[in-house]
Amino acid sequence: GEDVEQSLFLSVREGDSSVINCTYTDSSSTYLYWYKQEPGAGLQLLTYIFSNMDMKQDQRLTVLLNKKDKHLSLRIADTQTGDSAIYFCAEMGSNYQLIWGAGTKLIIKP
Amino acid sequence: KAGVTQTPRYLIKTRGQQVTLSCSPISGHRSVSWYQQTPGQGLQFLFEYFSETQRNKGNFPGRFSGRQFSNSRSEMNVSTLELGDSALYLCASSPGQGQYEQYFGPGTRLTVT
Repeated sequence: GEDVEQSLFLSVREGDSSVINCTYTDSSSTYLYWYKQEPGAGLQLLTYIFSNMDMKQDQRLTVLLNKKDKHLSLRIADTQTGDSAIYFCAEMGSNYQLIWGAGTKLIIKP
Repeated sequence: KAGVTQTPRYLIKTRGQQVTLSCSPISGHRSVSWYQQTPGQGLQFLFEYFSETQRNKGNFPGRFSGRQFSNSRSEMNVSTLELGDSALYLCASSPGQGQYEQYFGPGTRLTVT
């Protein structure tokens, strides 16, 4: 079946890079997404990657996709306190629905 | 462009009542999806509409229903509310037709007492 897994917590020091990992199971997924959710807020689309790409970079964000291992990662360079949030990985399943991971809470240490 | 809007932002209802939530997608977007977010179950897909047609439905009971209007605005309805329906209900807008990035509204926080 379709399932997305990610670690529940990640703690990094301010200024370091954060790497959030995700594994998915549906090899037919065409789109893979990273969303950010701050407390009390909705979901903010950070970036997405097509399954025919290996990497996508957007300012401080770098997404790496390893299709063979069904592994997706999000790297945030120069992590700031404003990056504190829950980060969700999602894959597009059959029939246009998003299949979600449980979310990784990013904790920034001063 | 204006983002996705959802109304109301907060609702308190009692068990057995029914509720209607509204979502206005980004202008030009034709696909609207609904998700339920709870601490225990995380994010779960409810249904997706494209050009007034429901294309897909998640694994929720028939008490959950929705519709989409000709201007792409969408509503979802929950009848005979149960305590377990307390959740954040999120609406996502997408261009559709080969473009599948989904943009979310702020959500409606429903509390059932």
